[in-house]
Amino acid sequence: GAGVSQTPSNKVTEKGKYVELRCDPISGHTALYWYRQSLGQGPEFLIYFQGTGAADDSGLPNDRFFAVRPEGSVSTLKIQRTERGDSAVYLCASSLGHQNTEAFFGQGTRLTVV
Amino acid sequence: RKEVEQDPGPFNVPEGATVAFNCTYSNSASQSFFWYRQDCRKEPKLLMSVYSSGNEDGRFTAQLNRASQYISLLIRDSKLSDSATYLCVGDYGGYNKLIFGAGTRLAVHP
Repeated sequence: GAGVSQTPSNKVTEKGKYVELRCDPISGHTALYWYRQSLGQGPEFLIYFQGTGAADDSGLPNDRFFAVRPEGSVSTLKIQRTERGDSAVYLCASSLGHQNTEAFFGQGTRLTVV
Repeated sequence: RKEVEQDPGPFNVPEGATVAFNCTYSNSASQSFFWYRQDCRKEPKLLMSVYSSGNEDGRFTAQLNRASQYISLLIRDSKLSDSATYLCVGDYGGYNKLIFGAGTRLAVHP
């Protein structure tokens, strides 16, 4: 079956622009997560959705970052007024949502802000 | 201090060697721990869970010491295909709010 799908795979944008990154979770997975991975580092938690609601957004670095999941399936991570420091791989993951179930990651969107 | 710390490596070992990775964590609230594997420019994938009683899966053995806040991964009889970055991970909410270490890079050579 299909895994977690993220689009685009690569995105180059100019400083100050707005970007949207899309995540299509595994069918039936109620939990969805966004992580960010900078070069040489492990992934860093951003936000967790259970269904349509953001159950934990404590990892969002500032108010330029926002994520939605309006129908409890596809999610979009939105970044306003991008900065060069936002350059990273943005990873999405999904799981069945029960405690201690495995999270499966997508291949990520590599964002480069120039 | 980072919540999960690992030796970044790289560890360069010959095929057939035994290699051990260590990891320490600072937040005792974590409920579960894992080792993930990440190949170059790929997504992280779960390798194995880590339990206080130890967990063995073929050539891989993971161990958790809650008293010392220390996690280990042992790889026996290394294969070329084991070359990757190994990430030590804690789950701080029981819902996959995963806190990753920076990873330890392993290179297995012929």
